[in-house]
Amino acid sequence: GESVGLHLPTLSVQEGDNSIINCAYSNSASDYFIWYKQESGKGPQFIIDIRSNMDKRQGQRVTVLLNKTVKHLSLQIAATQPGDSAVYFCAERDPSGSARQLTFGSGTQLTVLP
Amino acid sequence: NAGVTQTPKFRVLKTGQSMTLLCAQDMNHEYMYWYRQDPGMGLRLIHYSVGEGTTAKGEVPDGYNVSRLKKQNFLLGLESAAPSQTSVYFCASSFENHYGYTFGSGTRLTVV
Repeated sequence: GESVGLHLPTLSVQEGDNSIINCAYSNSASDYFIWYKQESGKGPQFIIDIRSNMDKRQGQRVTVLLNKTVKHLSLQIAATQPGDSAVYFCAERDPSGSARQLTFGSGTQLTVLP
Repeated sequence: NAGVTQTPKFRVLKTGQSMTLLCAQDMNHEYMYWYRQDPGMGLRLIHYSVGEGTTAKGEVPDGYNVSRLKKQNFLLGLESAAPSQTSVYFCASSFENHYGYTFGSGTRLTVV
């Protein structure tokens, strides 16, 4: 299947600023996208998802934007806190695949500076 | 409610040794997955299962075997470990009609 890529491997932001993590995907057939957060030594944790029939979805302090025209996904974190420091993965699902398989990007390391 | 539990958390094997990684979930999920995570390569699917008694190959199945004798358990076996299998292994599970996965905390395996 097609892989999901990220524009930047690392991102540093000041505490209190907003963070934007980007993800480019190449499979135009993907119909569902998820952002995961992975803290050091832990498994990935679900943050927020979005279906392909939407272009924006908001959660608590997080917003995901989907631009299907350019196959781009972004995660916005408002008022970034030290606890937000982690690796963030985007994942996509191709509906033609079996077993709800997701394809994961390699991740962006977010570091929150004091 | 423990979610997804992986055992062991750490293991060091010598080349050629065998071992089994256990994944247990208490959420009554139908689907279960085994991934490996290597630096800079993201999560790659090894094997998966769509229900008790079923298994299927993922992206990188060579050198691994799996079994799902009970709905709540998914075992990953390495019959003859190789240094290339040094990695962090994650188990995940999901409902059939929900796309999000719940992950375990991982098993860090080193093959020397």
